[in-house]
Amino acid sequence: DTGVSQNPRHKITKRGQNVTFRCDPISEHNRLYWYRQTLGQGPEFLTYFQNEAQLEKSRLLSDRFSAERPKGSFSTLEIQRTEQGDSAMYLCASSLVEKLFFGSGTQLSVL
Amino acid sequence: AQKITQTQPGMFVQEKEAVTLDCTYDTSDQSYGLFWYKQPSSGEMIFLIYQGSYDEQNATEGRYSLNFQKARKSANLVISASQLGDSAMYFCAMRVPRGAGGTSYGKLTFGQGTILTVHP
Repeated sequence: DTGVSQNPRHKITKRGQNVTFRCDPISEHNRLYWYRQTLGQGPEFLTYFQNEAQLEKSRLLSDRFSAERPKGSFSTLEIQRTEQGDSAMYLCASSLVEKLFFGSGTQLSVL
Repeated sequence: AQKITQTQPGMFVQEKEAVTLDCTYDTSDQSYGLFWYKQPSSGEMIFLIYQGSYDEQNATEGRYSLNFQKARKSANLVISASQLGDSAMYFCAMRVPRGAGGTSYGKLTFGQGTILTVHP
């Protein structure tokens, strides 16, 4: 399978805990993006990497959120001290040029 | 700032008929790209079709076509010969190039989506 892979598919955590999600992009894609989607809404941009450089961050990405792409391949998104409002689908996408290809997402539920 | 508006929360269509999903956009940039994605209940976002603002021809991909009306700032998706498997949420999105030389930075702005239901 050469698509975008995200792990885990589902994560249930208690408020205040830290969580980390992983995204493996399509191998030749140098651009990687994180989006957040809540029920009934379109995805909202969080952050963008070109190779290992994080080039843009949304104001939605509070200090509790951090994303990395250390070797320009896979990426991780960490949320510290989770809050109930963090419950959402976290989508990763990658691209070479115009078209973004998305993974199946990680569904986070904060209890 | 860019904005995408999808005014149809839900649409219904009979199998084998055509359906049009509306999308209007707002940007002051001359160079931009318009996208449509399909999101079935499984959650994955599936790329359907892309239209560049300078493309003179309307984009087509199989049963999907994009009715691009630049002056009206609309980019409606037309699905011909609807199938039961077309039932899903559909999102319109826009990207505006940024950076030196207009290198696209990849940020897509999405609309609220339209739920399409295909009846047998």
